[in-house]
Amino acid sequence: AQSVTQPDIHITVSEGASLELRCNYSYGATPYLFWYVQSPGQGLQLLLKYFSGDTLVQGIKGFEAEFKRSQSSFNLRKPSVHWSDAAEYFCAAALPGSGGYQKVTFGTGTKLQVIP
Amino acid sequence: EAQVTQNPRYLITVTGKKLTVTCSQNMNHEYMSWYRQDPGLGLRQIYYSMNVEVTDKGDVPEGYKVSRKEKRNFPLILESPSPNQTSLYFCASSHYSNQPQHFGDGTRLSIL
Repeated sequence: AQSVTQPDIHITVSEGASLELRCNYSYGATPYLFWYVQSPGQGLQLLLKYFSGDTLVQGIKGFEAEFKRSQSSFNLRKPSVHWSDAAEYFCAAALPGSGGYQKVTFGTGTKLQVIP
Repeated sequence: EAQVTQNPRYLITVTGKKLTVTCSQNMNHEYMSWYRQDPGLGLRQIYYSMNVEVTDKGDVPEGYKVSRKEKRNFPLILESPSPNQTSLYFCASSHYSNQPQHFGDGTRLSIL
């Protein structure tokens, strides 16, 4: 069965420190991959996506993610975290293809706390 | 501005009283979907729609209904709500189901 795993439920980092959030997927083929962020009281916002090509993907708010086929991973990184980055982060995946239904599977989320 | 609008944002109601959560998008998206978010469970899909008059069940459809009479609107109907439907609900839309989705700000439902 297709699945997306975010091993860390909760992560705490100091402001200014680097950040890496982990995401692993289990699919029969390389899926499209996404990272979303959910700030308190808001809906999910797309940070970045990977469809194909360059395995290092740049997103909004200074985030990047690296696709590693050999590890079935798509980890999210930021070199220096700001207090405003405190939020919940969701990794998601879906099989490629157009015209028909391709289910998006979400991970269970990682809640990021930023301390001064 | 591209957006998905859900109403109401908050609702406290009682068991058995029918309610509808509206969802509207202004991006001419074909695909729309409803999710519920519960602590530790992430987002679970309730229903989705590939286009007007085309809807199908997601992972947790029991107790919910939807309709898609117009492309922009995708209401979620709870005909006889129960306490286990207390949750945070999100509507989302995109051109195709596997493309980045735009999410509404959520509707927090409490069923007493």
